[in-house]
Amino acid sequence: NAGVTQTPKFQVLKTGQSMTLQCAQDMNHEYMSWYRQDPGMGLRLIHYSVGAGITDQGEVPNGYNVSRSTTEDFPLRLLSAAPSQTSVYFCASRALAAPSSYNEQFFGPGTRLTVL
Amino acid sequence: SQQGEEDPQALSIQEGENATMNCSYKTSINNLQWYRQNSGRGLVHLILIRSNEREKHSGRLRVTLDTSKKSSSLLITASRAADTASYFCATDAVDSWGKLQFGAGTQVVVTP
Repeated sequence: NAGVTQTPKFQVLKTGQSMTLQCAQDMNHEYMSWYRQDPGMGLRLIHYSVGAGITDQGEVPNGYNVSRSTTEDFPLRLLSAAPSQTSVYFCASRALAAPSSYNEQFFGPGTRLTVL
Repeated sequence: SQQGEEDPQALSIQEGENATMNCSYKTSINNLQWYRQNSGRGLVHLILIRSNEREKHSGRLRVTLDTSKKSSSLLITASRAADTASYFCATDAVDSWGKLQFGAGTQVVVTP
């Protein structure tokens, strides 16, 4: 198993540009999520999905879009990049078990994004 | 706002010593998890403790949970240089089904 993979590893954008961060997992996990990590702030949840076709907002969703057309993939789109979106982005996945999950979350290696 | 708050923010110890870090949170939880992050890498799951558990062990790791005080501690015994990393607590809150909330982390440096 490759686990959770993210591409690209590094990206530099100019203000106003758009791009998509890719995330894929091969563990058949229902739950996938995107976090951003800024110095001294820990990880903040951007968007998450509990299955194909279902997405919801996290703590800091503004400026980002997501979709979940398959179980495996959960891309994050930056619509119009801003310097405030300079950060390290992590994708994560985990299995779900009702009524709540006791399962560990698996993280990708991260994408380091700089917006000039 | 962050659910978990780690203390201390940074910790410097020598090999062989124990490292203790604490996490406080605000709302009722299903479970609390600890993760490690090596510099420039993703987070790795260390241990999960459920709300009805008070203590859990995994190798050199010992986690306690006090739901009445809404706090948890992570103890790393006999530290090694390879334990140098940032450690994060994450809470799976009762009213935030499926969403983990992370604290800002404790940066641990273990010197040989």
